[in-house]
Amino acid sequence: DAKTTQPPSMDCAEGRAANLPCNHSTISGNEYVYWYRQIHSQGPQYIIHGLKNNETNEMASLIITEDRKSSTLILPHATLRDTAVYYCIVQNQGGSEKLVFGKGMKLTVNP
Amino acid sequence: SQTIHQWPATLVQPVGSPLSLECTVEGTSNPNLYWYRQAAGRGLQLLFYSVGIGQISSEVPQNLSASRPQDRQFILSSKKLLLSDSGFYLCAWSHRTFGGGELFFGEGSRLTVL
Repeated sequence: DAKTTQPPSMDCAEGRAANLPCNHSTISGNEYVYWYRQIHSQGPQYIIHGLKNNETNEMASLIITEDRKSSTLILPHATLRDTAVYYCIVQNQGGSEKLVFGKGMKLTVNP
Repeated sequence: SQTIHQWPATLVQPVGSPLSLECTVEGTSNPNLYWYRQAAGRGLQLLFYSVGIGQISSEVPQNLSASRPQDRQFILSSKKLLLSDSGFYLCAWSHRTFGGGELFFGEGSRLTVL
C-alpha cells in the first residue's frame, strides 16, 4: 500500500506556480520522498527526490517540512504540458526495493 | 546514455491466447528490472521485479509470469490471457547500487484482450 496521501485533483492557471501537496506522516528516517509524473498514455517520468533538505532541479522544487511528515512539489511556472498525474512516493534508497505508486493527483493546467 | 525499449507497443489478443511482452535495457549493466500494469482509470500496480538473471519476485497472484534470460532482458508472459489482463504494461529499470528510488520507464505496451 502507498504510504502517501494526495488530493485527487488540482487545477492551476498557465504561467502560475503549481504547489502540489503530499502527506507522508508515517515516513521513517531512512525513507526518501520521490515525485514522478505520468502524462497520458506514457510511462511515468522521474521529477525529483529528497530526504530532509529542500531540493531544486530544472523541472521543479521540493519542499519537505522539518518533521518530514509532508512535502510540496512546486512547478514554478506551470505550462499546459505539465498537465499530468503526479505521484508522491516514499522509499528507502538502496537494495532491491520496489516503488509502490498510489493513485496520484491529476494536475490540470488551464490556459 | 541508457535507454529502455519494450515491444510491441500495442496488441489485441483473444481470450485464452498466449502473451509475450519484451523489454530490453541498453547502456547499463546489472539493473533492477520491473513490470508494472495500469488498468484503465487505475494506478500503477507492480507485477514483478528482478535483481538479477533468473531472479524474479512476484508481487500479486495472477496468470502472468516473468523471466529474465539475460542481464538486460525482461519478458512478461502468459499462457492463456483473461479479459482482466487488459491494460497498459510498463517495463522499468533502476540502478542496482542506487536502489529502487529512481525508475526509468519504457514507452509502454497497451494490451486489449477481447
